[in-house]
Amino acid sequence: ETGVTQSPTHLIKTRGQQVTLRCSSQSGHNTVSWYQQALGQGPQFIFQYYREEENGRGNFPPRFSGLQFPNYSSELNVNALELDDSALYLCASGPGQGGLNEQFFGPGTRLTVL
Amino acid sequence: DAKTTQPPSMDCAEGRAANLPCNHSTISGNEYVYWYRQIHSQGPQYIIHGLKNNETNEMASLIITEDRKSSTLILPHATLRDTAVYYCIVEANFGNEKLTFGTGTRLTIIP
Repeated sequence: ETGVTQSPTHLIKTRGQQVTLRCSSQSGHNTVSWYQQALGQGPQFIFQYYREEENGRGNFPPRFSGLQFPNYSSELNVNALELDDSALYLCASGPGQGGLNEQFFGPGTRLTVL
Repeated sequence: DAKTTQPPSMDCAEGRAANLPCNHSTISGNEYVYWYRQIHSQGPQYIIHGLKNNETNEMASLIITEDRKSSTLILPHATLRDTAVYYCIVEANFGNEKLTFGTGTRLTIIP
């Protein structure tokens, strides 16, 4: 148990739809990062939020967006879903900039796009 | 791109020490070596990290070569619950908490 929760556990959408995934970080963790993990691959960094501001982004298009809220919850939004967006989406919280790089991962949301 | 090279898979007998190698020949002076593992259907779990000295915690030991171009994660007494994908990651610790994962080593513990 890492204290990081994600919802929903599984989700099925169709191509072109929009989806919102949610994450609840550990209390006191100011940083949340989102990762996409395709089958058989390691997680790929999407973006990171620090105190509600985007603080770094990986090689993902603008239709991937996020929000971080003061209550340690966050969202990942994906618009215009494509088949290749099918993956496990992981969020990870950390203590904040300047701290150790230990990240606490949630169990993930498995998104299937048909 | 990941800055590390790991064997794709390894087996280890239950109760024996599991030694997982990692090559990171282009590591910079300010970059740490981190190890995470991912048990099936779970999120990655932090194991250990180090800069240049060997490190040990309740889960594992990390041995980093003197030139820092490679390292070995040691699970001293492997159990079936240690079956997982193990990721070796190299990142600088200056507040950027992005982790660059490769494809890792799939470790299977054999009863």
